[in-house]
Amino acid sequence: QVQFVQSGAEEKKPGASMKVSCKASGYTFTSYAIHWVRQAPGQRLEWMGWINGGNGQTTYSQKFQGRITITRDTSASTAYIELSSLRSDDTAVYFCTRRIAPAVLDYWGQGTLVTVSS
Amino acid sequence: QSALTQPASVSGSPGQSITISCTGTSSDVGGYNYVSWYQQHPGKAPKLIVYDVNKRPSGVSNRFSGSKSGNTASLTISGLQAEDEADYHCISYTSSITDVVFGGGTRLTVL
Repeated sequence: QVQFVQSGAEEKKPGASMKVSCKASGYTFTSYAIHWVRQAPGQRLEWMGWINGGNGQTTYSQKFQGRITITRDTSASTAYIELSSLRSDDTAVYFCTRRIAPAVLDYWGQGTLVTVSS
Repeated sequence: QSALTQPASVSGSPGQSITISCTGTSSDVGGYNYVSWYQQHPGKAPKLIVYDVNKRPSGVSNRFSGSKSGNTASLTISGLQAEDEADYHCISYTSSITDVVFGGGTRLTVL
């Protein structure tokens, strides 16, 4: 069965960087794109970016340009999101999710809480 | 990239039906039949409940149905149950390179 397992919760200081992993299983990793979405406490889902599972091409939300990097390791069936220059308003749960068709995000990771606090 | 517009909250009593709207533009909701809906309980990941405007994944109750008219998509939940109390999010395909655009989410309260 398809499954995504994300790395554990992180606590970061302002100005630091975070890196969250998302390990996929149960399907051919390179066949589908992975999107990253975050949700601040009590807030809406916020789209951050995506990576093409086949060719590794990335697209990022303009809001995070310059601070975000999404990568993948096809040998490990794992996607990663890095966010630098963290601020307190980056405190959120970060989700990875698989795109199997336009606007169809069928499986999601369990989420990773990243807390940014001095 | 503007978010899709959803009402912040809706409510209904057990057994009733409710409808949640999701309004976009001709570049997203109105331009394609690629709108999906997700249910999210507190502390959980979103769960896909409707895709391609009105299709349900295997295992999703037929109490959940979707539709679209112009630039507005809608999710209807019939026969409300206590377990339906959750946040509901719409997502649409968009012609921009970002691929998707999200709604602001709607909190459903079952009275």
